[in-house]
Amino acid sequence: QEKVQQSPESLIVPEGAMVSLNCSFSDSASQSIWWYQQHPGKGPKALISIFSNGNKKEGRLTVYLNRASLHVSLHIKDSQPSDSAVYLCAVSINNRIFFGDGTQLVVKP
Amino acid sequence: ETAVFQTPNYHVTQVGNEVSFNCKQTLGHDTMYWYKQDSKKLLKIMFSYNNKQLIVNETVPRRFSPQSSDKAHLNLRIKSVEPEDSAVYLCASSYGGGNTGQLYFGEGSKLTVL
Repeated sequence: QEKVQQSPESLIVPEGAMVSLNCSFSDSASQSIWWYQQHPGKGPKALISIFSNGNKKEGRLTVYLNRASLHVSLHIKDSQPSDSAVYLCAVSINNRIFFGDGTQLVVKP
Repeated sequence: ETAVFQTPNYHVTQVGNEVSFNCKQTLGHDTMYWYKQDSKKLLKIMFSYNNKQLIVNETVPRRFSPQSSDKAHLNLRIKSVEPEDSAVYLCASSYGGGNTGQLYFGEGSKLTVL
């Protein structure tokens, strides 16, 4: 069973700060890695994905993947109070998707 | 914009009762899922259906049973609920199984067992 671990567990930052979220996984044969955002009382929403080593940028989001170290990170530039949510890392392998236990982000105005 | 619809959103019941959650997706996806999310936000896959065929059945108690009438609907029935069943149950859908990794979730059905 794939193990997906996220850090930190929670994070409080001022508005405008750069946010860095980390995720490690256990199987190098994993296919795609996704980051999801979940607001209170809502279902998770897919934000950005990466498959190949390297980085990918979409708007204020940048994701970095290092398959050798089994690590992926999500960076949020110029964070906003509306970014306050739980961020979930998801790893797909063999038609199964495994989630980490999330990072709670609070962006204070 | 929600395209995966779950009912009911909340349900409070007593130990031993039966509960059913319904899910419908309007995205034309061929795979649907049920996930259980605990109070610490950990998501665990329970069932997955591809074109009405069960393709993943994780080790869940036998009192849980999925039901699918077509690829747009996946319901979840719980016979004789237990206190540890209190959680949010999330329905999701995707194209082509789990390899793409992108799931579309409903807003969840929160179950409280007294």
